[in-house]
Amino acid sequence: DVKVTQSSRYLVKRTGEKVFLECVQDMDHENMFWYRQDPGLGLRLIYFSYDVKMKEKGDIPEGYSVSREKKERFSLILESASTNQTSMYLCASSLSVLNTIYFGEGSWLTVV
Amino acid sequence: GENVEQHPSTLSVQEGDSAVIKCTYSDSASNYFPWYKQELGKRPQLIIDIRSNVGEKKDQRIAVTLNKTAKHFSLHITETQPEDSAVYFCAARPVTGNQFYFGTGTSLTVIP
Repeated sequence: DVKVTQSSRYLVKRTGEKVFLECVQDMDHENMFWYRQDPGLGLRLIYFSYDVKMKEKGDIPEGYSVSREKKERFSLILESASTNQTSMYLCASSLSVLNTIYFGEGSWLTVV
Repeated sequence: GENVEQHPSTLSVQEGDSAVIKCTYSDSASNYFPWYKQELGKRPQLIIDIRSNVGEKKDQRIAVTLNKTAKHFSLHITETQPEDSAVYFCAARPVTGNQFYFGTGTSLTVIP
C-alpha cells in the first residue's frame, strides 16, 4: 500500500516566519507534488518534481519554493509566510507519468 | 493548459437514490481521468479512473463514463449510502506532462 506521509498535520505560524512542510513517500515514486486546497477552488498545483533536484512550477508557485534532495522526500518552503497562505497543503506522489497520484493526509497551516 | 470544470458544487440525495457528478475538460490531449473521494479531514483517495480508450468503467456501485467528443466525463453512484457522503474531485491529465488538473469538487450529502 502506498504511503505518503506529511510530518506536520497542524501548524500555526506568524506572518513573516519561514515554514517548512515535509513529505515522504515510501514507494520509490518518481513524481512528487504539492497542492493547495481551498474551499471552492479545489486542488491547485504549487510545484511538482519528476526527479531528484528537478522541479517545475505549477499554477500558483508565487511565495513558495521546494526542495527534493532525495527521491523519497519533497519539501515545500514558505520563505515568508503571509496570512493568505493559510490553507490545507496536500503532498502527493506517483510512480510515473502513466500512473495516478496518491495523496498524503494534508497539513493544515494557519498564518496569524 | 487544461481547464477542468465540475458540477454541481453541492449535491444532496436521499439514501438509495443515484448521484451524478459531471466534469468537462478543455484539452483534447487529456487521456487519463481519475476520480477522488475525500472524507472530512482525510486525504483524497482514488475511487475509480478511466483512460481515453474506454467509454465506461464500473466498480460495484460506482461507474464513470467518458465522452471524448464532447470532452466530458461523469461519476455515477447508485444506491447511495450515508458513507458515500464526502467531497468528490475529478481530474484530467494531458498526454504530455506530469500535471493533473482538478475540478473544484462536489460536496455530496446522502440523507438517511
